[in-house]
Amino acid sequence: GAGVSQSPSNKVTEKGKDVELRCDPISGHTALYWYRQSLGQGLEFLIYFQGNSAPDKSGLPSDRFSAERTGGSVSTLTIQRTQQEDSAVYLCASSLDPRDRSYGYTFGSGTRLTVV
Amino acid sequence: AQTVTQSQPEMSVQEAETVTLSCTYDTSESDYYLFWYKQPPSRQMILVIRQEAYKQQNATENRFSVNFQKAAKSFSLKISDSQLGDAAMYFCAYRSAGYFGNEKLTFGTGTRLTIIP
Repeated sequence: GAGVSQSPSNKVTEKGKDVELRCDPISGHTALYWYRQSLGQGLEFLIYFQGNSAPDKSGLPSDRFSAERTGGSVSTLTIQRTQQEDSAVYLCASSLDPRDRSYGYTFGSGTRLTVV
Repeated sequence: AQTVTQSQPEMSVQEAETVTLSCTYDTSESDYYLFWYKQPPSRQMILVIRQEAYKQQNATENRFSVNFQKAAKSFSLKISDSQLGDAAMYFCAYRSAGYFGNEKLTFGTGTRLTIIP
């Protein structure tokens, strides 16, 4: 596609429920990133996928968070047993070639998750 | 680990005037990239300008320019002739240039810019 697409745009869920957030990166972009943006905060790195390599999960805040990337394209971020502190905007980004560090990322518009 | 600090949570500027947003960072690396991103209410992060640390010349993109002071680890963004469409959150970000397996961007906490008509 022309840009990074994320769905849903907004999600309200009850505490304790599981949620899945989807990211469809730009076609041909081998690198995919998930970030979390809490109210009034900067962007917190969650997880990074590059091609077929094992993902860098070092930013995931707890074992309730997981992510997968199927076929080197679409990614799903899953949050199990959601808590109110999980409320945030979840941003996905993709990058053409991470070996060229001069590239910034192309971001999606994010999913605003509200846990009530 | 690298850190990025934006000490101005909010700034405002009169339309058509010039404003400078501050950013400092901490790193032990000599080669890296710095970025400014804009986040309007649509939430999508938009790349405004980038700077390679090994280049002494400050980057410029139309009305946007940076003042890169490597020794001081400072990377400020200057917006000239401010326009209403410039109103947004602005984030400074750092990325290592070396291949250490660390691909991520490290972001500051942002500066909210308001344009006064």
